Amino acid sequence: DVQLVESGGGLVKPGGSLRLSCEGSGFTFSTYSMKWVRQAPGKGLEWISSISSSSGHIYYADSVKGRFTVSRDNDKNSMYLQLNSLRAEDTAVYYCARASTAFDLWGQGTMVTVSS
Amino acid sequence: DIQMTQSPSTLSASVGDRITITCRASQSLGFWVAWYQQKPGKAPKLLIYKASTLESGVPSRFSGSGSGREFTLTITSLQPDDFATYYCQEYNGWTFGPGTKVEIK
Repeated sequence: DVQLVESGGGLVKPGGSLRLSCEGSGFTFSTYSMKWVRQAPGKGLEWISSISSSSGHIYYADSVKGRFTVSRDNDKNSMYLQLNSLRAEDTAVYYCARASTAFDLWGQGTMVTVSS
Repeated sequence: DIQMTQSPSTLSASVGDRITITCRASQSLGFWVAWYQQKPGKAPKLLIYKASTLESGVPSRFSGSGSGREFTLTITSLQPDDFATYYCQEYNGWTFGPGTKVEIK
């Protein structure tokens, strides 16, 4: 099956760190640009980061720039998001998505809760 | 940054209705807009890309149109499975609209 599976979410205290993973299967992961999108409870969708197929182009939303770092390992068909200096407002479901025509394949999401 | 708005924010409709959701951008986007459907607790699903191209496997009752700054998503003959929240998205900065919730009347 063609799919993306996120992992690594959990409960973390303000100021803490977390590393999310996104593993792709059923397609040639290394040829696709990949994205991270988050959704705070009861809110809309927010794009937060993009990484090109070869990691040559990386972008962040202003809301996470300087705190989050995206990376990928094409040998492992995986993308990662390192979340540092976490704030309460970072509480959300974090989705990874494949970008081709648009965001055409999504993972199931992983919940990150930032609370003391 | 490009701002995206959607109207209405909530739409009450019945099975069999034809509905239209409008998405407006703060600057011209050409045809570079996508539409997604999201159900509670689930990931978004791509419906339409490049303003009017139907994603593979999406029923033909969904259609998209528009260019520049105004885009529409139309669902003809609303089905029970279509009650969900719909988001537009622009391809420049990947900004999503705020969403339109389609609920049962």
